Amino acid sequence: EDQVTQSPEALRLQEGESSSLNCSYTVSGLRGLFWYRQDPGKGPEFLFTLYSAGEEKEKERLKATLTKKESFLHITAPKPEDSATYLCAVRSGNNRKLIWGLGTSLAVNP
Amino acid sequence: EPEVTQTPSHQVTQMGQEVILRCVPISNHLYFYWYRQILGQKVEFLVSFYNNEISEKSEIFDDQFSVERPDGSNFTLKIRSTKLEDSAMYFCASSPGQGNADTQYFGPGTRLTVL
Repeated sequence: EDQVTQSPEALRLQEGESSSLNCSYTVSGLRGLFWYRQDPGKGPEFLFTLYSAGEEKEKERLKATLTKKESFLHITAPKPEDSATYLCAVRSGNNRKLIWGLGTSLAVNP
Repeated sequence: EPEVTQTPSHQVTQMGQEVILRCVPISNHLYFYWYRQILGQKVEFLVSFYNNEISEKSEIFDDQFSVERPDGSNFTLKIRSTKLEDSAMYFCASSPGQGNADTQYFGPGTRLTVL
């Protein structure tokens, strides 16, 4: 059964303190791994799509990497506005449905 | 920038009533989806829709649920005879239908409260 596990569940950082969020997955035939940001009471906002092991994507202070078993979302010198829940999801095989992790709730203190 | 829109933002209903949640997907997208998120739980897939028919559905999507594209822009989720456990955020998404991963873009959600 396809599964996605994210860690840690919650993370509190000081402004400027870099860190990484983890997404471990078990799927049969990965078609894509997706990172989304979710603010309270809002819908998931797309950040990155990763297709294959070794791939990296960057956007401002965020960088996503992918291996055969997990993905990392690296946050460099975060700011308070980066506070949100970061969700990881995967698509496998011929399915279009996304399988989601529970997310990492990130709080960045000024 | 094109975005998915959803109405209403919040719907309160009595148990046993029918509700219709509405979505306008991104205009040139071909696939449409509904997901739900119960408070504190993972986002769950409900259904995907392509070429005016359901292409995939989950175990959650039973006879209580139905989807429709009544015109060229709207995509609706109908829940018949709502139950307390249907209370959740419901998200609509759309994707272009091209490329390996076919990224899905989400709307802001409808918060459904069943009393």
